Amino acid sequence: QLQVQESGPGLVKPSETLSLTCTVSGGSIDTNNYYWTWVRQPPGKGLEWIGSISYSGRTYYNPSLRSRVTQSAHTSTNQFSLNLRSVTAADTAVYYCARHVDTAMVDALDLWGQGTMVTVSS
Amino acid sequence: QSVLAQPPSASGTPGQRVTISCSGSSSNIGGNTVNWYQQLPGTAPKLLICRNKQRPSGVPDRFSGSKSGTSASLAISGLQSEDEADYYCAAWDDSLNAWLFGGGTKLTVL
Repeated sequence: QLQVQESGPGLVKPSETLSLTCTVSGGSIDTNNYYWTWVRQPPGKGLEWIGSISYSGRTYYNPSLRSRVTQSAHTSTNQFSLNLRSVTAADTAVYYCARHVDTAMVDALDLWGQGTMVTVSS
Repeated sequence: QSVLAQPPSASGTPGQRVTISCSGSSSNIGGNTVNWYQQLPGTAPKLLICRNKQRPSGVPDRFSGSKSGTSASLAISGLQSEDEADYYCAAWDDSLNAWLFGGGTKLTVL
């Protein structure tokens, strides 16, 4: 059964780079129709799509974050990663990695990690 | 303020039917399919409805989705206490080239 799991530091200093990794187990990221996605949720607030990447490296980013975001896919380790530069307190959130399936029947985030809390503070 | 507008709260009693609306525009809901996610307290979101009305395996048929024009709705019939959660709609926006989430609706079972 395929699972995804986030990992990374829980505390990042303002102006530094937030770096998270999502490990995919029980299946390969090297699959057509899958886009590997990051979503975040500030405390007490709603969901915000950060961006998605295919196994081949094609990326889609939230326009509001595009200037600060880089996503990468690592087929050799079956992981994908998120880098968010120049963070501020407004980037404090639970960060989820997820699988986006795009087929005739499903075009949605059908598998989510448990989420990891990242706090931006000095 | 989210581009996809949802009521911040909804409520119902056990056994009742409740609906949650999601309003957008021609660039998102009007031209693309809508997904609904359920987020139980303290947990990750879970896909509830995809492509407007399709239920993934394991989702009870008490949950149903519909779309008309630039609006979509999630209906929950036979409301149960375990349905108490936050519900989010989502759709791709062709103008922004981005996935959008609604602001979320907190459902309370009275």
